[in-house]
Amino acid sequence: DGGITQSPKYLFRKEGQNVTLSCEQNLNHDAMYWYRQDPGQGLRLIYYSQIVNDFQKGDIAEGYSVSREKKESFPLTVTSAQKNPTAFYLCASTGRLQPQHFGDGTRLSIL
Amino acid sequence: DAKTTQPNSMESNEEEPVHLPCNHSTISGTDYIHWYRQLPSQGPEYVIHGLTSNVNNRMASLAIAEDRKSSTLILHRATLRDAAVYYCILLMITTSGTYKYIFGTGTRLKVLA
Repeated sequence: DGGITQSPKYLFRKEGQNVTLSCEQNLNHDAMYWYRQDPGQGLRLIYYSQIVNDFQKGDIAEGYSVSREKKESFPLTVTSAQKNPTAFYLCASTGRLQPQHFGDGTRLSIL
Repeated sequence: DAKTTQPNSMESNEEEPVHLPCNHSTISGTDYIHWYRQLPSQGPEYVIHGLTSNVNNRMASLAIAEDRKSSTLILHRATLRDAAVYYCILLMITTSGTYKYIFGTGTRLKVLA
């Protein structure tokens, strides 16, 4: 079945450590997105990418970095510069004028 | 960017219709209106979308105001499984051809048995 796979489901980070969240899709979608969700809040856009080797900052990109070397993959790195990284992170993809498909999310916590 | 405004929460009795409102007064002519719903600890799930005309699918109906400044998601017979947070979202297509989704804060729907 086609879909989006996010891993790991739970992730713990020590202070000052960078961590990378994985997002893979086999839907042949061009566009991919990363969102952050805090408890009881809506989704906020971190980064998005329309094509390979190109990506744009969203509304809250500071402290995060991404790469898009392959169409299927859009990893998100949470750097030590992100002072409040504890959140639920969601990856999504979409084809042209199609609905977004979401992964099941990664919950990141600070030790 | 345009934004959406939704009530924080709503309640409905099981098997009754539910009307979830959304205001998007700053919507532009090319923005699509999408609705998604989210269960706890899961990614959002697509419900329905439209541009100008009302839309129906097996999950719900979408009624779009004539001036497009508001829309209403209609669940015809609410079930306990419909309890979720419902997001009204604008899909912007920028001049460079990128698709950007603008999420609102969502409405938490509680369905009473």
